[in-house]
Amino acid sequence: DVKVTQSSRYLVKRTGEKVFLECVQDMDHENMFWYRQDPGLGLRLIYFSYDVKMKEKGDIPEGYSVSREKKERFSLILESASTNQTSMYLCASSLLGADLNLAKNIQYFGAGTRLSVL
Amino acid sequence: AQKITQTQPGMFVQEKEAVTLDCTYDTSDQSYGLFWYKQPSSGEMIFLIYQGSYDEQNATEGRYSLNFQKARKSANLVISASQLGDSAMYFCAMRDLITDSWGKLQFGAGTQVVVTP
Repeated sequence: DVKVTQSSRYLVKRTGEKVFLECVQDMDHENMFWYRQDPGLGLRLIYFSYDVKMKEKGDIPEGYSVSREKKERFSLILESASTNQTSMYLCASSLLGADLNLAKNIQYFGAGTRLSVL
Repeated sequence: AQKITQTQPGMFVQEKEAVTLDCTYDTSDQSYGLFWYKQPSSGEMIFLIYQGSYDEQNATEGRYSLNFQKARKSANLVISASQLGDSAMYFCAMRDLITDSWGKLQFGAGTQVVVTP
């Protein structure tokens, strides 16, 4: 079974703090994704990575950065946390992205991190 | 632009009954994939089922089936014989196979399902 692990289930931070959200997958997947989830808005893609050190912006990258130094680990960084970044953050991975086989596009998710910025 | 629409924000269903969750999508790609996920209150997104636009038959996985109507651009999820453990938020998602090279998914806003005894 694919396992995607997010380092924290709940985090409380103060405005202006630098925040790191960590995600690790154990299935040698090429692609990793960071989403934020807000009520009524579904999941919105922040950043994704298709290889080590490679990253692409998603739909809402402002205020965030990412790092992928090893294939299994993908970090989301809030350089200076703000209250409007209070949200649920979900990490996902998929075997391949640049592949037309849909089975290889299935994204597997971690349990999520509920971040509150006060 | 919103590509996935789930018009039912919430619904109640009785145990052992079937429930249909609506999903419509908008794409200009000729090839695409549709996915459904379940998110219980614990928060983890669980993959349920997928279907390609080129698939001739509707996908089924256990009690889950996908009612795919390409001309209407709808991909409804049908859960048969509902169980209390089916209570969760359900998300429809789509991947454009031609215009997207990275395997990105676009998600709908979700439908909250509550199964009652």
